[in-house]
Amino acid sequence: SQELEQSPQSLIVQEGKNLTINCTSSKTLYGLYWYKQKYGEGLIFLMMLQKGGEEKSHEKITAKLDEKKQQSSLHITASQPSHAGIYLCGADRDSWGKLQFGAGTQVVVTP
Amino acid sequence: NAGVMQNPRHLVRRRGQEARLRCSPMKGHSHVYWYRQLPEEGLKFMVYLQKENIIDESGMPKERFSAEFPKEGPSILRIQQVVRGDSAAYFCASSPRDGGYTFGSGTRLTVV
Repeated sequence: SQELEQSPQSLIVQEGKNLTINCTSSKTLYGLYWYKQKYGEGLIFLMMLQKGGEEKSHEKITAKLDEKKQQSSLHITASQPSHAGIYLCGADRDSWGKLQFGAGTQVVVTP
Repeated sequence: NAGVMQNPRHLVRRRGQEARLRCSPMKGHSHVYWYRQLPEEGLKFMVYLQKENIIDESGMPKERFSAEFPKEGPSILRIQQVVRGDSAAYFCASSPRDGGYTFGSGTRLTVV
């Protein structure tokens, strides 16, 4: 079973609409990473969160890590076709050096 | 900065052959990690290496798979006597001493 639960598994959003992806762990996370993967390609780093309650933004993407460091969300505002892809959350569980990943969320942006 | 370089991008091998996958980390990064992404599955950790040392190989299959990161040159993931089930995308990541992982574009291995 996945140690990091991502939801939803997939979502379709109309261009211009917002979307949120969640990543949950039953254990405290050392560090939480968000990546984006286009089909058949590598992973593009988006954000890294390490402190409880931390929030980071880049362009139209905002990522948060809750105070207990067990849940993170990725929010995209006013989605565009370029936001389509698979979003992966990864976490250092005990210490850095080995990332465990969620199953991914496939995002489709329609006109 | 060229980023993490993996080659080849695509590799086709017949069953029983050997596959060698190469990874050159980002400049200044001394830690290398290999991950495997099987079709319809998520990314799974395989091995974590530093120069001339295997730090954690808990995700490596017990047989046929080996990895090295020599003092000079790229890190190599070697799969002997490949089988169809080895077909997957293999990703390499590197980091500096204090974390922050950068991934390569991957090598897609197809075993025919």
